[in-house]
Amino acid sequence: GENVEQHPSTLSVQEGDSAVIKCTYSDSASNYFPWYKQELGKRPQLIIDIRSNVGEKKDQRIAVTLNKTAKHFSLHITETQPEDSAVYFCAASPSSGGYQKVTFGTGTKLQVIP
Amino acid sequence: DGGITQSPKYLFRKEGQNVTLSCEQNLNHDAMYWYRQDPGQGLRLIYYSQIVNDFQKGDIAEGYSVSREKKESFPLTVTSAQKNPTAFYLCASSIQGRGEQFFGPGTRLTVL
Repeated sequence: GENVEQHPSTLSVQEGDSAVIKCTYSDSASNYFPWYKQELGKRPQLIIDIRSNVGEKKDQRIAVTLNKTAKHFSLHITETQPEDSAVYFCAASPSSGGYQKVTFGTGTKLQVIP
Repeated sequence: DGGITQSPKYLFRKEGQNVTLSCEQNLNHDAMYWYRQDPGQGLRLIYYSQIVNDFQKGDIAEGYSVSREKKESFPLTVTSAQKNPTAFYLCASSIQGRGEQFFGPGTRLTVL
């Protein structure tokens, strides 16, 4: 089955700096890579996703890059703000008929220091 | 925070007791999922269901059971066979064939 590794497990940055979280996956059949943000005590919510036919996707201060050959993808947050502090999960998912089983990474706790 | 709900928010149980966690969604989603979240271990899939009256085991199904009698509901029973049930449980749903999963607020289960 799919195995997703995520690094680092914790990350502290100064407000205004950039943050990068990296993930690797094992199953070459994976073609969908979402990123979820979970604030303390709240539910995970999708912040950005990318499919394997795209190398990069941006949404304001957030970007995701995908290297299919190396089987790794990364989340980039620029101009970090205190409200970016949360746990971020990467995930990978291969299509299997109508159902996509999602395998999550172990999470990165991001702390943005004002 | 409508769409997908879980109850209760906090649940305490004595060892040896079964307990059922509720998950309801009004998003008309076909697929529903149960995850367990432990510190440092991410989200691990317990069970999932693609349609009514059908469900499959995930990666850590031992000691758990589910039912899917209605499209809107996917309750999870934590049985006494689950050796370490204290955890945060998240229910999710998605449109069949689409990637994004929508999560409920979670239930924190503590075994006393």
